[in-house]
Amino acid sequence: EVQLVESGGGLVQPGGSLRLSCEASGFTFSSYSMHWVRQAPGKGLEYVSAVGHAGALTYYADSVKGRFTISRDNSKNTLYLQMASLRTEDTAVYYCTREMGNWMYYDFWGQGTVVIVSS
Amino acid sequence: DIQMTQSPSSLSASVGDRVTITCRASQGISDYLAWYQQKPGKPPRLLIYAAFTLQSGVPSRFSGGGSGTDFTLTISSLQPEDVATYYCQKYHGAPPTFGQGTKVEIK
Repeated sequence: EVQLVESGGGLVQPGGSLRLSCEASGFTFSSYSMHWVRQAPGKGLEYVSAVGHAGALTYYADSVKGRFTISRDNSKNTLYLQMASLRTEDTAVYYCTREMGNWMYYDFWGQGTVVIVSS
Repeated sequence: DIQMTQSPSSLSASVGDRVTITCRASQGISDYLAWYQQKPGKPPRLLIYAAFTLQSGVPSRFSGGGSGTDFTLTISSLQPEDVATYYCQKYHGAPPTFGQGTKVEIK
């Protein structure tokens, strides 16, 4: 059974940093590109970032470029999102997702981890 | 970036009704479109990809259609468990972009 379990969310002040993790199981993690998608309270879904299966290729939404860094450790079956210079508008549930079929849509989602940026 | 616009933003229908949600892309995206269902407090669930291909395990009352710029998600007979918000997403080229969502309720 495919499982994606996010962790690392919490309350952080504006300008602060946080690292999210997503532990994957039930599939060959190193064979899949992985993404982060977020959802602000009461709002819709927003793509954040993606990383290729080997970790060499990365993509970022303009809203987080230069502040967030996506990475992965295939030996640990874990995806990361290092977030810096956090803003109040980064407050959201952050979902780890598995890319399906080498296209940027998602067949499995984690339960999400909540990030609150507030003073 | 290509924008995705869904309509309506919300709807209320009776159990057994046929329900259709529309998604329009600001540029042609061929059939690179997915639909998701999100119930309150849960992550989204993939329903349809490639505009009309049903994901494994999704009930056959769900169907997708369209190509180019105009797409539809249809629920042929609305059930109580279909109460949710539905999102379309284009995935041809980065960034993948979602519609703003359509909330479906039971009348």
